[in-house]
Amino acid sequence: QITLKESGPPLVKPTQTLTLTCTFSGFSLSTSGVGVAWIRQPPGKALEWLALTYWDDDKRYSPSLNSRLTITKDASKNQVVLTMTNMDPVDTATYYCARTWCSGGRCYFDYWGQGTLVTVSS
Amino acid sequence: QAVLTQPPSLSASPGASASLTCTLRGGVSVVTYRIYWYQQKPGSPPQYLLRYKSDSDNQRGSGVPSRFSGSKDASANAGILLISGLQSEDEADYYCMTWHGSAVLFGGGTKLTVL
Repeated sequence: QITLKESGPPLVKPTQTLTLTCTFSGFSLSTSGVGVAWIRQPPGKALEWLALTYWDDDKRYSPSLNSRLTITKDASKNQVVLTMTNMDPVDTATYYCARTWCSGGRCYFDYWGQGTLVTVSS
Repeated sequence: QAVLTQPPSLSASPGASASLTCTLRGGVSVVTYRIYWYQQKPGSPPQYLLRYKSDSDNQRGSGVPSRFSGSKDASANAGILLISGLQSEDEADYYCMTWHGSAVLFGGGTKLTVL
């Protein structure tokens, strides 16, 4: 059974750095074709992809947020960490992590965590 | 800059079919893109439904009913999610997604109301 769970502070102040952890089970981030992504969703709004790390340590970032994001993985601990600097109230959102499955160049998010709501406010 | 555009809302009756569109803008052709579709119900994370590039390159997610299918309208430069035999449980937000280079794009989502 594949599960993912996001954890992190529910409240951060403007200009602070957010650190989120995705802890997963049921798959290995050392397996070819596997990745873990972060996606967020402001209240009542659309999904926005943030970052992705692959089994081979390749990393990809949203072009619009690239300068603020860092994604790292610890395959031995089954964890992926996302840091986002200089938080602003517009970054208030539910943050999801999702397993990425790639086969023949076709990659999609097949399992998602329940998400964690992060509010940015002073 | 490629962008996926979806109509904000769509209503349809139980038993009818609904066609949700996802228009690719930014000077790129939808013909060469795989379009992925996700369903999201209130308070829950999105769930993968299917992907569609062509009749020979498409896949429905595990456990997804055959009532859900994908297609394209090349003239409109759009991917389409077709839901036939609408049921009340299909009422949800639907998001399209694609890969543009090595980055992921999501559409703005369509809220489907079944009434």
